Amino acid sequence: AQSVTQPDIHITVSEGASLELRCNYSYGATPYLFWYVQSPGQGLQLLLKYFSGDTLVQGIKGFEAEFKRSQSSFNLRKPSVHWSDAAEYFCAVGARNYGQNFVFGPGTRLSVLP
Amino acid sequence: DTAVSQTPKYLVTQMGNDKSIKCEQNLGHDTMYWYKQDSKKFLKIMFSYNNKELIINETVPNRFSPKSPDKAHLNLHINSLELGDSAVYFCASSPRTGGEQYFGPGTRLTVT
Repeated sequence: AQSVTQPDIHITVSEGASLELRCNYSYGATPYLFWYVQSPGQGLQLLLKYFSGDTLVQGIKGFEAEFKRSQSSFNLRKPSVHWSDAAEYFCAVGARNYGQNFVFGPGTRLSVLP
Repeated sequence: DTAVSQTPKYLVTQMGNDKSIKCEQNLGHDTMYWYKQDSKKFLKIMFSYNNKELIINETVPNRFSPKSPDKAHLNLHINSLELGDSAVYFCASSPRTGGEQYFGPGTRLTVT
């Protein structure tokens, strides 16, 4: 069964600073990988996804993520954070095999200082 | 048009009652899910349906019963509600098993 860890529970950055949120996964094969964002009181919005091919993936809102097979990581990055980016961020792993689970990490809460 | 919708958005009820949450998606997806998000924001899959067939049923009490009348709808019925059922419940749909999921706005269930 696959699993996902997000080592940082809470990160605080200043507006305009760069951001990197960490995600590590465990899965026997190449997984599908995702990042989602959840603003307070809202549902989850898909930021970006990786299925195969280019390991640097571009998403919405200026986010990107890089798949590193050797490190079992899929870290999310943004060069310049905006105050509206403050939210909860979830990394997720989807299994390619029918009947297996879609697993979310525990989330990282991002706070942005003005 | 809302892609994945849930009703109601808020649900406050007493212990022992039975309640239902409805979910509809207009994306044409074959796969739908129910998740529970606890107070610490942890998301746990409860059920997954593919084209009206149950394919994932996590360790969830029998009081929870999903029903899929057609592939665009996946409802969640909960019997004999308990305090521990208080959470936000999310419905989601996906175009393929393991693929990206699109979430509804959530239903905040409070059991008193």
